Amino acid sequence: DAGVTQSPTHLIKTRGQQVTLRCSPKSGHDTVSWYQQALGQGPQFIFQYYEEEERQRGNFPDRFSGHQFPNYSSELNVNALLLGDSALYLCASSLSVVSNQPQHFGDGTRLSIL
Amino acid sequence: AQTVTQSQPEMSVQEAETVTLSCTYDTSESDYYLFWYKQPPSRQMILVIRQEAYKQQNATENRFSVNFQKAAKSFSLKISDSQLGDAAMYFCAYRDYYGGSQGNLIFGKGTKLSVKP
Repeated sequence: DAGVTQSPTHLIKTRGQQVTLRCSPKSGHDTVSWYQQALGQGPQFIFQYYEEEERQRGNFPDRFSGHQFPNYSSELNVNALLLGDSALYLCASSLSVVSNQPQHFGDGTRLSIL
Repeated sequence: AQTVTQSQPEMSVQEAETVTLSCTYDTSESDYYLFWYKQPPSRQMILVIRQEAYKQQNATENRFSVNFQKAAKSFSLKISDSQLGDAAMYFCAYRDYYGGSQGNLIFGKGTKLSVKP
């Protein structure tokens, strides 16, 4: 039973560039959430996708956008990268109809902005 | 807005001893979920234990147990018989009961637990 997989593991970009991070949910899950974890901090919610639509969004600018595909996998896109975007980006998946089940996390993508 | 506070940036425990990590939260909701996640250097967030707010009984998972005080909005984690593999960052997290489906998690800043042999 495959868990949540994220790619790439590490990524180095420069300011102003654009980046795309990818996530495949745990088998059987239909909801994908993205979190940003700055060094030494707890994860912060970016947005959640269900049925290929953004269902919830945290306090992040429009530079952060996403997409969910029919197979439930998801992408996180960040435009006009800033130094402050350097962080670990975590993807979590869940099954929407089961409210008391926890979200399952991937290993994350470490994004470094130079 | 809901908030989660972990007041202990770092904790240390001797192997085989017991340690308690503190967490308080703020919410105006009556139905919600609380979680403790462990994040080792490998980065993956691993669920340790969860608690539904409507349940008065404290959750227990093997060596891990919680002390859930709803009125005080407190949710502490007790680790018994600590092992070297318990060393990690521990995050307390809150989630609304989002109309029967999944809401987003709100995390505290974490507590770094060290285990001494």
